[in-house]
Amino acid sequence: EPEVTQTPSHQVTQMGQEVILRCVPISNHLYFYWYRQILGQKVEFLVSFYNNEISEKSEIFDDQFSVERPDGSNFTLKIRSTKLEDSAMYFCASSSPGLAGGLTDTQYFGPGTRLTVL
Amino acid sequence: QKEVEQDPGPLSVPEGAIVSLNCTYSNSAFQYFMWYRQYSRKGPELLMYTYSSGNKEDGRFTAQVDKSSKYISLFIRDSQPSDSATYLCAMSPSGGYQKVTFGIGTKLQVIP
Repeated sequence: EPEVTQTPSHQVTQMGQEVILRCVPISNHLYFYWYRQILGQKVEFLVSFYNNEISEKSEIFDDQFSVERPDGSNFTLKIRSTKLEDSAMYFCASSSPGLAGGLTDTQYFGPGTRLTVL
Repeated sequence: QKEVEQDPGPLSVPEGAIVSLNCTYSNSAFQYFMWYRQYSRKGPELLMYTYSSGNKEDGRFTAQVDKSSKYISLFIRDSQPSDSATYLCAMSPSGGYQKVTFGIGTKLQVIP
């Protein structure tokens, strides 16, 4: 069964450093997303991406964050200067386009990258 | 009022029990309703999704949506120890291309 994959599974970084989290969405999916989950809190939407541009972003997704689809298979989240409060699980998700005039499929999530900022 | 409210539990039940998990929401724009299962430090795994009001059954799982009450439920019949996980309700205005809003999740433990 196709699945979303993410690397690395765990990333440890020093405050102020840049990190790039990588995702390989399901191959025929066209919509891509990043969510995060701080320990003990709910899963929160960060950003959605379609047709090589951001389609929606949350208040969390400020200028320190960026996303990119550098090739036909990868989708990345970059945090330019990490803060302690960026420590969280980061989940990538993807969904496929729906039938013409219909709804898109729901979102499928990867296993997550645990980011620890020291 | 929070957009999606879900009792975090924990909920402990004996094996074989019927489990009822619920969420309420405030945003009338939500039309797509999902239940995800999440094991500790893992990604959410889609269990079921429903569009608009009604019931949907898949094996031991039944999802119900009552849009008039802004209330959704997930029932698990004949619960098994392997069902022990956190169950997240989630919803979006219309389909997978819009952001999904999650509840905090209910932690379920099924005791053998």
